[in-house]
Amino acid sequence: EVQLVESGGGLVQPGGSLRLSCAASGFTFNNYAMTWVRQAPGKGLEWVSGISGSGYTTEYTDSVKGRFTISRDNSKNMLYLQMNSLRAEDTALYYCAKDGRTQPGYDFDYWGQGTLVTVSS
Amino acid sequence: QSVLTQPPSVSAAPGQKVTISCSGSSSNTGNNYVSWYRQLPGTAPKLLIYDNTKRPSGIPDRFSGSKSGTSATLAITGLQAGDEADFYCGAWDSSLSVYLFGTGTKVTAL
Repeated sequence: EVQLVESGGGLVQPGGSLRLSCAASGFTFNNYAMTWVRQAPGKGLEWVSGISGSGYTTEYTDSVKGRFTISRDNSKNMLYLQMNSLRAEDTALYYCAKDGRTQPGYDFDYWGQGTLVTVSS
Repeated sequence: QSVLTQPPSVSAAPGQKVTISCSGSSSNTGNNYVSWYRQLPGTAPKLLIYDNTKRPSGIPDRFSGSKSGTSATLAITGLQAGDEADFYCGAWDSSLSVYLFGTGTKVTAL
């Protein structure tokens, strides 16, 4: 059974940093791209970043480029999102999702339950 | 960045059919695969359709996807009260190198 469990969310001041983690199990982790998707309160889904199965290819939405870094540790079946220079508009529920292919950006067939990030003073 | 356009809401009586449109451009829906997701209240999204028309294992055939040009459509037949949810389309944008989600559609069973 595929499981994705996010952690690391919380309350942070504007300009601060957080590192989100996603523990994956139930599939061959390095065979699949992984993705972070966020959802602001009461809003729609927003793709944040994706990483290929090997970790060599990464993609970001414009609003987080230069501030967020996606990475993965295939030896530990872990996905990460390092978030720096956080802004109020980054406040959202952050989902970890498994892609259906090795390269990012096709479809997301399994999702975690999300971890909440709140940026506020 | 651009988004994929969906109607804000659709509704029908239980047992009837609803369709949800997803309009994009040649750089996303026109030349890349479209996926559809359902998000029940308070839960994570779930993949319903991938590669424009394919259903993952366990998704009933009441849900079907199609694509023509730069527009995609999700059809739900035999609408049930339990289908009430938000539905999103999604596709990769080759020009922007980002994945785009649709604006979302709330489905209501009258």
